[in-house]
Amino acid sequence: QLQLQESGPGLVKTSETLSLTCTVSGGSISSSSYSWGWIRLPPGKGLEWIGRIYSSGSTYYNPSLMGRVTISVDTSRNQFSLNLSSASAADTALYYCARLGYSRDGVDFYYYMDVWGKGTTVIVSS
Amino acid sequence: DIQMTQSPSSLSASVGERVTISCRASQTINRYLNWYQQKPGQAPKFLIYSASSLQSGVPSRFSGSGSGTDFTLTITSLQPEDFATYYCQQSYSTTYTFGQGTKLEIK
Repeated sequence: QLQLQESGPGLVKTSETLSLTCTVSGGSISSSSYSWGWIRLPPGKGLEWIGRIYSSGSTYYNPSLMGRVTISVDTSRNQFSLNLSSASAADTALYYCARLGYSRDGVDFYYYMDVWGKGTTVIVSS
Repeated sequence: DIQMTQSPSSLSASVGERVTISCRASQTINRYLNWYQQKPGQAPKFLIYSASSLQSGVPSRFSGSGSGTDFTLTITSLQPEDFATYYCQQSYSTTYTFGQGTKLEIK
């Protein structure tokens, strides 16, 4: 059964880079049927989409984070990572990684996040 | 960004009741709408895709409907394990967005 596990520092200093890794087990990150994403849940707020990556390395990012966010993949380690530069208190959140699957209906591709990690809390503070 | 608005923000109901949660998109998203359930301390659980298709393993008391801008999640005969927060999420645009969540509590 596919499992995802986030890892990384729980405390990041203001203006530094927030770095997290998601390790995929029970399946290959190289599967062309899936892509891999990051989502966060700030305290007292709703879920926010950060971005996604395909095993090929192509990425899509939330424009609100553009310029600060980088998602990368390491197929040899079956991992993908999130880097968020110039971190501020607004980046304090519970961070999740997830697998994106899809259902195809003709020319329509319905994407969804079907497997999630348990999440890791990151606090940004000086 | 496409804004997703859920109503109500919170809801109290009893075991065995039928409940409905609404989700409205700020523009048409056809049927690119997913639903998730989240319990405290747990990761979100994927329930429904394409507005009305039930993910494998999800109980049939959960159902979804709608298209365009207005969508509904219905839970018939609430069970104790259904009390959680529910989120809708659009995948019409490449920048996915979520509703703010609906907290379903026991009455």
